[in-house]
Amino acid sequence: DTEVTQTPKHLVMGMTNKKSLKCEQHMGHRAMYWYKQKAKKPPELMFVYSYEKLSINESVPSRFSPECPNSSLLNLHLHALQPEDSALYLCASSQDGGQPQHFGDGTRLSIL
Amino acid sequence: QKEVEQNSGPLSVPEGAIASLNCTYSDRGSQSFFWYRQYSGKSPELIMFIYSNGDKEDGRFTAQLNKASQYVSLLIRDSQPSDSATYLCAARLSGGYQKVTFGIGTKLQVIP
Repeated sequence: DTEVTQTPKHLVMGMTNKKSLKCEQHMGHRAMYWYKQKAKKPPELMFVYSYEKLSINESVPSRFSPECPNSSLLNLHLHALQPEDSALYLCASSQDGGQPQHFGDGTRLSIL
Repeated sequence: QKEVEQNSGPLSVPEGAIASLNCTYSDRGSQSFFWYRQYSGKSPELIMFIYSNGDKEDGRFTAQLNKASQYVSLLIRDSQPSDSATYLCAARLSGGYQKVTFGIGTKLQVIP
């Protein structure tokens, strides 16, 4: 078990659905990250929040919408996804932007 | 040229041997380096980080950094079958305080 908790662990959704991924950490970390990982590929950075503000958006399509309600929580809102968006979505946190990142267990997302 | 390069493997070593995993990076200004272990279907787990030239040891793991040669390595002593996983090398490139760039990962197989 990791100290970064992601829910749900698995999610199957249709292309017209709206769903959200959630991430929570209670380590007092001030930087939080969303990554996407396809099979046999390294994690690919999507978004970075630093002190609850969005600091990096790696040109992610608008069908992915991040939200950081407070310093412990990070959400990723999903809408009108495509089959190619099926992947493992990883949340990570670090003490600040320069420190090692710790990953949650991930959400395995399948788009029908 | 990729920013962080690793041989994808597989690297096969017998149980009890030393496994040597290597990584090179292109950005001479890179400051911080990380090694993650990822079991199949699981999320990456931080096992080592190194910021200064030289060796850093933690149990059976030793990380080595040579900034002049732009080379990072991970040595695993007394390799066990449970060490069989993909090892991701990551670097914080210059100008990317919050962004970590991952290599493709090296698959390690420890043969009993």
